[in-house]
Amino acid sequence: QKEVEQNSGPLSVPEGAIASLNCTYSDRGSQSFFWYRQYSGKSPELIMFIYSNGDKEDGRFTAQLNKASQYVSLLIRDSQPSDSATYLCAVIRRVDTGRRALTFGSGTRLQVQP
Amino acid sequence: GAGVSQSPSNKVTEKGKDVELRCDPISGHTALYWYRQSLGQGLEFLIYFQGNSAPDKSGLPSDRFSAERTGGSVSTLTIQRTQQEDSAVYLCASSQGGIQETQYFGPGTRLLVL
Repeated sequence: QKEVEQNSGPLSVPEGAIASLNCTYSDRGSQSFFWYRQYSGKSPELIMFIYSNGDKEDGRFTAQLNKASQYVSLLIRDSQPSDSATYLCAVIRRVDTGRRALTFGSGTRLQVQP
Repeated sequence: GAGVSQSPSNKVTEKGKDVELRCDPISGHTALYWYRQSLGQGLEFLIYFQGNSAPDKSGLPSDRFSAERTGGSVSTLTIQRTQQEDSAVYLCASSQGGIQETQYFGPGTRLLVL
């Protein structure tokens, strides 16, 4: 089982719809969770981070964390064609005493159709 | 202020040659990370520096890969005796503090080994 799993997609949604991106992780002790966006041929850029169970909203983006079920999701409201990109989930997990590692999923490609 | 910079932006080399990739982190960022991203794949963690020391080298794929960081700033990633499977985009990121902090990515170096 991969440490961080994402559906590779593509996830296709019409403009104006809600896009829902999901990520599951295997290590129950994982602590911090990040969503990065990567446009084709570009470097990743941070969209949101979340540490606590529940929802965290920032503009059109909402991150949802459920540690009991070991998943984190990203909702994009009022999707725009400019949101079309690959979305990477990243998780900080404890590797051993005093050492933590940041592991990225392979990303979900989102396509917003005009 | 300036973001993370990397050089060269593109590198074409012949199999068996050594290459050096450079990363200039954001000024004041103590943590520096190297990742590799093959075409259409997620981010593969290589190595992480906190200051000049590397607490986590677990991601280096073989002993042909090495990295150093001097003066708590610039880092170089060296690949000796390059192989065709080393072809990828090599991304550098930096963060203000430790691994729990937001990482800011450079533009990457696109390496092609012929």
